[in-house]
Amino acid sequence: QAVLTQPSSLSASPGASASLTCTLRSGINVGTSRIYWYQQKPGSPPQYLLRYKSDSDKQQGSGVPSRFSGSKDASANAGILLISGLQSEDEADYYCMIWRSSAWVFGGGTKLTVL
Amino acid sequence: EVQLVESGGGLVQPGRSLRLSCVASGFSFNEYAMHWVRQAPGKGLEWVSGISWNSGDMGYADSVRGRFTISRDNAKNSLYLQMNSLRAEDTALYYCTKADTAIFREDAFDIWGQGTMVTVSS
Repeated sequence: QAVLTQPSSLSASPGASASLTCTLRSGINVGTSRIYWYQQKPGSPPQYLLRYKSDSDKQQGSGVPSRFSGSKDASANAGILLISGLQSEDEADYYCMIWRSSAWVFGGGTKLTVL
Repeated sequence: EVQLVESGGGLVQPGRSLRLSCVASGFSFNEYAMHWVRQAPGKGLEWVSGISWNSGDMGYADSVRGRFTISRDNAKNSLYLQMNSLRAEDTALYYCTKADTAIFREDAFDIWGQGTMVTVSS
Protein backbone atom coordinates (compact mmCIF):
# COMPACT_ATOMS: atom_id res chain seq x y z
CA GLN A 1 0.00 0.00 0.00
CA ALA A 2 1.37 3.39 -0.97
CA VAL A 3 2.26 5.88 1.77
CA LEU A 4 0.07 8.58 0.16
CA THR A 5 -2.88 7.87 -2.11
CA GLN A 6 -4.49 10.48 -4.33
CA PRO A 7 -7.34 10.00 -6.81
CA SER A 8 -5.87 10.04 -10.30
CA SER A 9 -8.34 12.58 -11.65
CA LEU A 10 -11.04 15.02 -10.65
CA SER A 11 -13.32 17.27 -12.66
CA ALA A 12 -15.10 20.41 -11.52
CA SER A 13 -16.82 23.41 -13.04
CA PRO A 14 -15.53 26.97 -13.17
CA GLY A 15 -16.59 28.91 -10.11
CA ALA A 16 -17.20 25.76 -8.09
CA SER A 17 -15.03 24.32 -5.34
CA ALA A 18 -12.80 21.27 -5.64
CA SER A 19 -11.67 19.11 -2.76
CA LEU A 20 -8.53 17.08 -3.48
CA THR A 21 -7.76 14.31 -1.03
CA CYS A 22 -4.49 12.75 0.05
CA THR A 23 -5.06 9.60 2.09
CA LEU A 24 -2.30 8.46 4.42
CA ARG A 25 -1.52 4.77 4.71
CA SER A 26 -2.94 3.01 7.71
CA GLY A 27 -0.58 3.44 10.63
CA ILE A 28 0.43 6.97 9.66
CA ASN A 29 -1.55 9.47 11.68
CA VAL A 30 -2.78 12.44 9.67
CA GLY A 31 -3.23 14.37 12.91
CA THR A 32 0.51 14.54 13.52
CA SER A 33 1.57 14.99 9.89
CA ARG A 34 2.46 18.16 8.05
CA ILE A 35 1.07 17.82 4.55
CA TYR A 36 2.51 19.85 1.71
CA TRP A 37 0.72 20.57 -1.58
CA TYR A 38 2.20 21.36 -4.99
CA GLN A 39 0.67 22.38 -8.30
CA GLN A 40 2.24 21.42 -11.62
CA LYS A 41 1.10 22.68 -14.98
CA PRO A 42 2.15 20.97 -18.23
CA GLY A 43 5.72 21.73 -19.21
CA SER A 44 6.47 23.58 -15.97
CA PRO A 45 8.13 22.66 -12.70
CA PRO A 46 5.97 22.17 -9.62
CA GLN A 47 4.96 25.20 -7.59
CA TYR A 48 4.62 25.12 -3.81
CA LEU A 49 1.06 25.91 -2.71
CA LEU A 50 0.82 25.41 1.02
CA ARG A 51 1.52 23.38 4.12
CA TYR A 52 -1.17 22.23 6.54
CA LYS A 53 -0.97 20.40 9.84
CA SER A 54 -3.53 22.32 11.87
CA ASP A 55 -5.10 25.75 11.96
CA SER A 56 -2.22 26.84 14.17
CA ASP A 57 0.44 25.19 12.03
CA LYS A 58 -0.09 26.11 8.43
CA GLN A 59 1.69 28.13 5.78
CA GLN A 60 0.60 29.62 2.47
CA GLY A 61 3.15 29.65 -0.32
CA SER A 62 4.40 33.00 -1.49
CA GLY A 63 1.91 34.60 -3.84
CA VAL A 64 -0.56 31.72 -3.59
CA PRO A 65 -4.16 32.98 -3.59
CA SER A 66 -6.29 32.41 -0.54
CA ARG A 67 -8.62 30.38 -2.78
CA PHE A 68 -6.22 27.53 -2.02
CA SER A 69 -6.48 26.20 1.50
CA GLY A 70 -5.67 23.08 3.45
CA SER A 71 -7.57 20.97 5.92
CA LYS A 72 -7.81 17.41 7.21
CA ASP A 73 -10.41 14.70 7.51
CA ALA A 74 -9.35 12.73 10.54
CA SER A 75 -12.05 10.12 10.04
CA ALA A 76 -10.62 9.31 6.62
CA ASN A 77 -7.00 9.83 7.71
CA ALA A 78 -6.62 12.27 4.83
CA GLY A 79 -5.31 15.69 4.04
CA ILE A 80 -7.40 17.93 1.84
CA LEU A 81 -6.56 20.70 -0.60
CA LEU A 82 -9.60 22.89 -1.13
CA ILE A 83 -9.72 25.15 -4.15
CA SER A 84 -12.61 27.57 -4.17
CA GLY A 85 -13.85 29.71 -7.04
CA LEU A 86 -12.25 27.44 -9.61
CA GLN A 87 -10.66 29.11 -12.59
CA SER A 88 -9.49 27.61 -15.86
CA GLU A 89 -5.90 28.34 -14.83
CA ASP A 90 -6.30 25.93 -11.90
CA GLU A 91 -6.31 23.01 -14.34
CA ALA A 92 -3.15 21.15 -13.38
CA ASP A 93 -1.67 18.18 -11.56
CA TYR A 94 -1.65 18.42 -7.78
CA TYR A 95 0.70 16.49 -5.50
CA CYS A 96 0.74 16.02 -1.75
CA MET A 97 3.89 15.28 0.23
CA ILE A 98 4.92 14.28 3.74
CA TRP A 99 8.10 13.49 5.63
CA ARG A 100 8.05 9.81 6.54
CA SER A 101 10.70 7.32 7.66
CA SER A 102 13.65 9.60 6.87
CA ALA A 103 12.41 10.42 3.39
CA TRP A 104 10.14 12.85 1.63
CA VAL A 105 7.24 11.03 0.00
CA PHE A 106 4.95 12.30 -2.73
CA GLY A 107 1.49 11.09 -3.55
CA GLY A 108 0.83 9.90 -7.07
CA GLY A 109 -0.89 13.15 -8.02
CA THR A 110 -4.39 14.21 -9.04
CA LYS A 111 -5.12 15.67 -12.46
CA LEU A 112 -7.69 18.42 -11.98
CA THR A 113 -9.79 19.29 -15.00
CA VAL A 114 -11.84 22.49 -14.95
CA LEU A 115 -14.68 22.29 -17.44
CA GLU B 1 15.28 37.12 -8.88
CA VAL B 2 15.51 33.77 -7.15
CA GLN B 3 16.70 31.19 -9.66
CA LEU B 4 17.92 27.62 -9.86
CA VAL B 5 19.57 26.43 -13.07
CA GLU B 6 20.32 22.75 -13.55
CA SER B 7 22.78 21.25 -16.01
CA GLY B 8 24.61 18.02 -16.75
CA GLY B 9 21.81 15.86 -18.04
CA GLY B 10 22.02 13.81 -21.19
CA LEU B 11 21.96 10.35 -22.72
CA VAL B 12 24.05 7.76 -20.88
CA GLN B 13 24.41 4.00 -21.12
CA PRO B 14 23.26 1.72 -18.30
CA GLY B 15 25.97 1.26 -15.70
CA ARG B 16 27.69 4.55 -16.49
CA SER B 17 27.89 7.72 -14.42
CA LEU B 18 26.67 11.28 -14.71
CA ARG B 19 27.04 14.39 -12.54
CA LEU B 20 24.27 16.96 -12.31
CA SER B 21 24.85 20.53 -11.21
CA CYS B 22 22.56 23.28 -10.01
CA VAL B 23 23.59 26.92 -9.68
CA ALA B 24 21.55 29.11 -7.38
CA SER B 25 21.12 32.87 -7.44
CA GLY B 26 18.98 35.52 -5.80
CA PHE B 27 19.06 34.14 -2.26
CA SER B 28 21.57 33.19 0.45
CA PHE B 29 22.35 29.69 -0.77
CA ASN B 30 24.38 28.82 2.33
CA GLU B 31 21.35 29.28 4.60
CA TYR B 32 19.05 26.70 3.05
CA ALA B 33 18.77 22.98 2.56
CA MET B 34 18.57 21.76 -1.01
CA HIS B 35 17.05 18.75 -2.73
CA TRP B 36 16.88 16.80 -5.95
CA VAL B 37 13.45 15.63 -7.11
CA ARG B 38 12.87 13.66 -10.31
CA GLN B 39 9.96 12.98 -12.60
CA ALA B 40 9.95 10.12 -15.09
CA PRO B 41 8.21 10.89 -18.40
CA GLY B 42 4.47 11.04 -17.84
CA LYS B 43 4.83 10.06 -14.19
CA GLY B 44 4.66 11.69 -10.78
CA LEU B 45 7.24 13.33 -8.56
CA GLU B 46 9.87 11.33 -6.66
CA TRP B 47 12.20 12.80 -4.04
CA VAL B 48 15.76 11.67 -4.73
CA SER B 49 18.01 13.28 -2.16
CA GLY B 50 18.39 16.22 0.21
CA ILE B 51 21.24 18.00 1.98
CA SER B 52 21.23 20.44 4.86
CA TRP B 53 22.74 23.91 4.70
CA ASN B 54 26.21 22.94 5.90
CA SER B 55 26.37 19.43 4.38
CA GLY B 56 26.13 18.06 7.89
CA ASP B 57 23.09 15.93 7.15
CA MET B 58 21.82 14.34 3.98
CA GLY B 59 19.37 11.70 2.90
CA TYR B 60 18.46 9.52 -0.03
CA ALA B 61 15.50 7.65 -1.43
CA ASP B 62 15.83 3.89 -1.13
CA SER B 63 15.83 3.66 -4.93
CA VAL B 64 19.13 5.57 -5.23
CA ARG B 65 20.92 4.99 -1.92
CA GLY B 66 24.41 3.63 -2.50
CA ARG B 67 24.47 4.79 -6.14
CA PHE B 68 23.85 8.54 -5.92
CA THR B 69 25.74 11.11 -3.85
CA ILE B 70 24.53 14.62 -3.12
CA SER B 71 26.93 17.45 -2.31
CA ARG B 72 27.11 21.22 -2.28
CA ASP B 73 29.66 23.99 -2.53
CA ASN B 74 28.37 27.04 -0.70
CA ALA B 75 31.24 29.17 -1.99
CA LYS B 76 30.02 28.48 -5.53
CA ASN B 77 26.28 28.56 -4.74
CA SER B 78 26.11 25.11 -6.27
CA LEU B 79 24.40 21.79 -5.63
CA TYR B 80 25.51 18.53 -7.20
CA LEU B 81 24.24 14.99 -7.72
CA GLN B 82 26.77 12.31 -8.63
CA MET B 83 24.90 9.42 -10.20
CA ASN B 84 26.70 6.10 -10.58
CA SER B 85 25.58 2.70 -11.83
CA LEU B 86 22.73 4.29 -13.74
CA ARG B 87 19.72 2.19 -14.68
CA ALA B 88 16.94 2.60 -17.21
CA GLU B 89 14.54 3.39 -14.37
CA ASP B 90 16.64 6.46 -13.49
CA THR B 91 15.45 8.09 -16.72
CA ALA B 92 13.70 11.28 -15.63
CA LEU B 93 13.68 15.04 -15.50
CA TYR B 94 15.76 15.99 -12.47
CA TYR B 95 14.73 19.11 -10.59
CA CYS B 96 16.89 21.07 -8.17
CA THR B 97 14.77 22.53 -5.38
CA LYS B 98 15.35 24.89 -2.50
CA ALA B 99 13.99 24.08 0.94
CA ASP B 100 12.25 26.70 3.04
CA THR B 101 14.56 25.87 5.93
CA ALA B 102 18.20 25.02 6.71
CA ILE B 103 17.50 21.39 7.58
CA PHE B 104 16.58 19.00 4.79
CA ARG B 105 14.26 16.99 7.04
CA GLU B 106 11.99 19.95 7.55
CA ASP B 107 9.55 21.96 5.52
CA ALA B 108 8.60 22.62 1.97
CA PHE B 109 10.45 22.91 -1.32
CA ASP B 110 9.60 26.48 -2.19
CA ILE B 111 11.69 27.17 -5.30
CA TRP B 112 12.22 24.81 -8.26
CA GLY B 113 14.49 24.88 -11.27
CA GLN B 114 13.36 23.97 -14.77
CA GLY B 115 15.06 20.58 -14.58
CA THR B 116 17.65 18.66 -16.58
CA MET B 117 16.75 15.49 -18.46
CA VAL B 118 18.62 12.26 -17.87
CA THR B 119 18.07 9.38 -20.26
CA VAL B 120 19.61 6.01 -19.48
CA SER B 121 19.59 3.79 -22.54
CA SER B 122 21.90 1.64 -24.60
